[in-house]
Amino acid sequence: KAGVTQTPRYLIKTRGQQVTLSCSPISGHRSVSWYQQTPGQGLQFLFEYFSETQRNKGNFPGRFSGRQFSNSRSEMNVSTLELGDSALYLCATSTEGTETQYFGPGTRLLVL
Amino acid sequence: EDQVTQSPEALRLQEGESSSLNCSYTVSGLRGLFWYRQDPGKGPEFLFTLYSAGEEKEKERLKATLTKKESFLHITAPKPEDSATYLCAVEGSSGGSYIPTFGRGTSLIVHP
Repeated sequence: KAGVTQTPRYLIKTRGQQVTLSCSPISGHRSVSWYQQTPGQGLQFLFEYFSETQRNKGNFPGRFSGRQFSNSRSEMNVSTLELGDSALYLCATSTEGTETQYFGPGTRLLVL
Repeated sequence: EDQVTQSPEALRLQEGESSSLNCSYTVSGLRGLFWYRQDPGKGPEFLFTLYSAGEEKEKERLKATLTKKESFLHITAPKPEDSATYLCAVEGSSGGSYIPTFGRGTSLIVHP
């Protein structure tokens, strides 16, 4: 069974730009959650999508958004990038919710 | 607000030297406590989910236990390949939202 796929793996952007990251879940997984991981704050929950609907949302500004497609693939978008957005962005998928999640390898974003 | 505190922050063991990692938590309506292992440059790998006090789960050299205030990850006769960062997370049901909260992790190094 193929694992969770995230693209791109690495990304360099400049302040003010926007970025879109993609996550393809394990076959049969309908829940996709996104996380931000930084050395200073650790792993923080961004949002969860299930059946194309945002079901839960963490405490992040509106610049962070996401969506899920009918095939369960998900994208997250960050607009007006700030230096502090530099982080490893992880997606995790599961059959139903945030229990027993399987993480992808992450997208490392560097904002200059 | 849910909180998770992991200790120690870092742990060095000799191969075969058993020890325990601690995860203390406060949460409204515990839905589950999760343990993950994360290797450098990779996404977290799911290890265990515990749902209620008194529950225990084992996998190879690892055993996770849960009380109403904390969880322990016991590592018996560790090997160098057990070196990783171990993350603990809780998911509560505050306000009908299910948002996982992660601890900062324990970095484990096992010397041969």
